[in-house]
Amino acid sequence: GENVEQHPSTLSVQEGDSAVIKCTYSDSASNYFPWYKQELGKRPQLIIDIRSNVGEKKDQRIAVTLNKTAKHFSLHITETQPEDSAVYFCAADTGRRALTFGSGTRLQVQP
Amino acid sequence: GAVVSQHPSWVICKSGTSVKIECRSLDFQATTMFWYRQFPKQSLMLMATSNEGSKATYEQGVEKDKFLINHASLTLSTLTVTSAHPEDSSFYICSARVHSSTEAFFGQGTRLTVV
Repeated sequence: GENVEQHPSTLSVQEGDSAVIKCTYSDSASNYFPWYKQELGKRPQLIIDIRSNVGEKKDQRIAVTLNKTAKHFSLHITETQPEDSAVYFCAADTGRRALTFGSGTRLQVQP
Repeated sequence: GAVVSQHPSWVICKSGTSVKIECRSLDFQATTMFWYRQFPKQSLMLMATSNEGSKATYEQGVEKDKFLINHASLTLSTLTVTSAHPEDSSFYICSARVHSSTEAFFGQGTRLTVV
């Protein structure tokens, strides 16, 4: 089955700085890679996703890059704000089964 | 986006009792729903895949007789934690995907505390 590794486990940045979270996956059949933001006690919320036929996708301050050859994908958040503080999870799937999640990254944006 | 509703949002039960958690897709039909468990400061771990009209598929290490899943309609899946013990205390969350779409939608989650 799919295995997703995520780094770092914690990340602290100053407000306005950029944050980068990286994930690797094992199953070459995976073709869908979403990123979720989860606040304490809440459900995960999709913030951006990318499919394997695209190398990069951007939505305002958030971008995701995908390297299929190396089987890794990254989340980039620019101009971070305190409200970006949360736990971020990457995931991978073929689009037909349950998502396999990374271990999560706790992002803390210092004002 | 599509809406998945989960109930209750939290429950406290005594050790040895059973608890039922409901997961509903409000504006779409879900032939498949997924149940996850999340311990504090950990990731979401898939417990089982719930299939409408057939038996659920459980992940390795998840006891099917302890975590009973029923998916009797296209909009409702239930997870029953039987003979609950304190180690079953966790955040349980369901998910569903709209047909032909890849985005997964999550319920609000249920915080189960067994005392």
